[in-house]
Amino acid sequence: AQSVTQLDSQVPVFEEAPVELRCNYSSSVSVYLFWYVQYPNQGLQLLLKYLSGSTLVKGINGFEAEFNKSQTSFHLRKPSVHISDTAEYFCAVSEQGGSEKLVFGKGTKLTVNP
Amino acid sequence: DADVTQTPRNRITKTGKRIMLECSQTKGHDRMYWYRQDPGLGLRLIYYSFDVKDINKGEISDGYSVSRQAQAKFSLSLESAIPNQTALYFCATSEPGLAGKYTDTQYFGPGTRLTVL
Repeated sequence: AQSVTQLDSQVPVFEEAPVELRCNYSSSVSVYLFWYVQYPNQGLQLLLKYLSGSTLVKGINGFEAEFNKSQTSFHLRKPSVHISDTAEYFCAVSEQGGSEKLVFGKGTKLTVNP
Repeated sequence: DADVTQTPRNRITKTGKRIMLECSQTKGHDRMYWYRQDPGLGLRLIYYSFDVKDINKGEISDGYSVSRQAQAKFSLSLESAIPNQTALYFCATSEPGLAGKYTDTQYFGPGTRLTVL
């Protein structure tokens, strides 16, 4: 069965600084990878996903992530964050050819300070 | 109007009471899911349904039951609520994978905050 580890539960940064949120996964088969964002008092929404092809994936709001199969990682990056990026970010994995269920990491709370 | 709606948005109840959380969607998706979110634990899958006649247990189904009344409606019941079921509950929907591709982007409702005293 697949699993996801988000290495940082909280990440505080200053506005306009770069940020990286780390995600590692474990699976015995090939996977699809996702990042979801949850703004305060809202449901989750998809930020970006990797299904196949280019390992660098671009998402909404200037975020991007890189799939690294050898390191089983899918880290999320943004070169310059805004106050409005303050939210909780969840990495998720789904096994190719499996039951098409998502397994979520425990989340990383990003706080952008002025 | 929101594509995925949940009612109620907040509920406080007592131990032993039966509770139903409802989810409706206007996206026309066949697949629906129920998750619970606990601080520091992320989202965990309770039940999922790939169509009206297909109901499956997720990771943490004990103490819960579901009903898929129609393509657009998926309800979660707590037969006898207990305090450790206090959590934020999310409903989600998704489209089936297209031929040769797999998307499984999930669309989430706003959540129901349930407190069991």
